[in-house]
Amino acid sequence: AQSVTQPDIHITVSEGASLELRCNYSYGATPYLFWYVQSPGQGLQLLLKYFSGDTLVQGIKGFEAEFKRSQSSFNLRKPSVHWSDAAEYFCAVGEGFGNEKLTFGTGTRLTIIP
Amino acid sequence: GAVVSQHPSRVICKSGTSVKIECRSLDFQATTMFWYRQFPKQSLMLMATSNEGSKATYEQGVEKDKFLINHASLTLSTLTVTSAHPEDSSFYICSASLTGNYGYTFGSGTRLTVV
Repeated sequence: AQSVTQPDIHITVSEGASLELRCNYSYGATPYLFWYVQSPGQGLQLLLKYFSGDTLVQGIKGFEAEFKRSQSSFNLRKPSVHWSDAAEYFCAVGEGFGNEKLTFGTGTRLTIIP
Repeated sequence: GAVVSQHPSRVICKSGTSVKIECRSLDFQATTMFWYRQFPKQSLMLMATSNEGSKATYEQGVEKDKFLINHASLTLSTLTVTSAHPEDSSFYICSASLTGNYGYTFGSGTRLTVV
């Protein structure tokens, strides 16, 4: 069965600093990987996704993620965070094609300090 | 882009009553819809998967007689929480996908409070 681990429950970063959120997955075949962001009381917004091809994926809001098969990782990065980036971030793995369920990590809460 | 509309955004109901939550895909036909439940400060737990015109597939531990899912059309799925109890209070989120589209679009969620 597929699984996702987000080892950091809560991260605090200064505004303007760089950010890296960790995600490790377990899946037997080639995974379909996603990062979502959730503001309080809201649904999920897709930041980026990886299915194949270039292992460095660019997303919205200046985020990027790198797929590393050897490390079973799909870490999310941003070179300079903004106060509006404060939210909950979820990594997810799916079996693909859009009609298979997603398995989510437990999420990482990001706090931005001035 | 693909938009999923979920209503209501918030609902308060009395114990023992039923509540219906709607999830509509506005600009695409969703062959599959997913219903998730999220407890405070926790991740999303899949409750069930529904395909248009067929019965929903429930995850282990989810009571199908309590959480009724109907996916009668390619643009609408509903989740009905029957005989609601305070422990059913939670944040419910739907997601819709189109086969082969490599994407899942989420609704904005419904905060259910049972008093």
